Amino acid sequence: GQQLNQSPQSMFIQEGEDVSMNCTSSSIFNTWLWYKQDPGEGPVLLIALYKAGELTSNGRLTAQFGITRKDSFLNISASIPSDVGIYFCAGRLRGRYGGSQGNLIFGKGTKLSVKP
Amino acid sequence: GAVVSQHPSWVICKSGTSVKIECRSLDFQATTMFWYRQFPKQSLMLMATSNEGSKATYEQGVEKDKFLINHASLTLSTLTVTSAHPEDSSFYICSAVTSGVTDTQYFGPGTRLTVL
Repeated sequence: GQQLNQSPQSMFIQEGEDVSMNCTSSSIFNTWLWYKQDPGEGPVLLIALYKAGELTSNGRLTAQFGITRKDSFLNISASIPSDVGIYFCAGRLRGRYGGSQGNLIFGKGTKLSVKP
Repeated sequence: GAVVSQHPSWVICKSGTSVKIECRSLDFQATTMFWYRQFPKQSLMLMATSNEGSKATYEQGVEKDKFLINHASLTLSTLTVTSAHPEDSSFYICSAVTSGVTDTQYFGPGTRLTVL
């Protein structure tokens, strides 16, 4: 099936650092979504992207829909302790005639932890 | 807006019993809801797509007689795990899409099922 490659798998952050993660695919997407999941809870939508090249911010978070439609990145600026958690990218494929097809495909997640 | 709730948040049951999990969209109408299963440290696995007033569409490998889904109204979908066994223990999460904006999913907080 279609896959999203999300990297890095995990990373350690120190308060104040900027963080970057991305998702790539060999397929073309119509939608990119970024979620954060805390332990024992459901994913919370952070940013939704619908157009190639779109750059959207939500507070300290910024995400971009890659111009090729095959990738997206999420940046967190000036990280704080509550940023720890698992971040998932998700996307919907672009169909033959331009519309979205299929269900959301999820990346495997990027786990953010605090540096010991 | 776009709040999704689940009930119960956690449940412990004996092997062989059935468990019902509810998913509600609180402030919007959801023509489509999704049920996911998530194992520890893994991404979300789509189980089925639930459309209001029609039969659910199950993903390959998901037993429809084991996981009964009912989407009786535009704000409620239920997942019943029938004759639960310990291997059914997992974190079950539902999501919903708003009518007309089908590319963005909002997730519930999840239900932790433990089968003894």
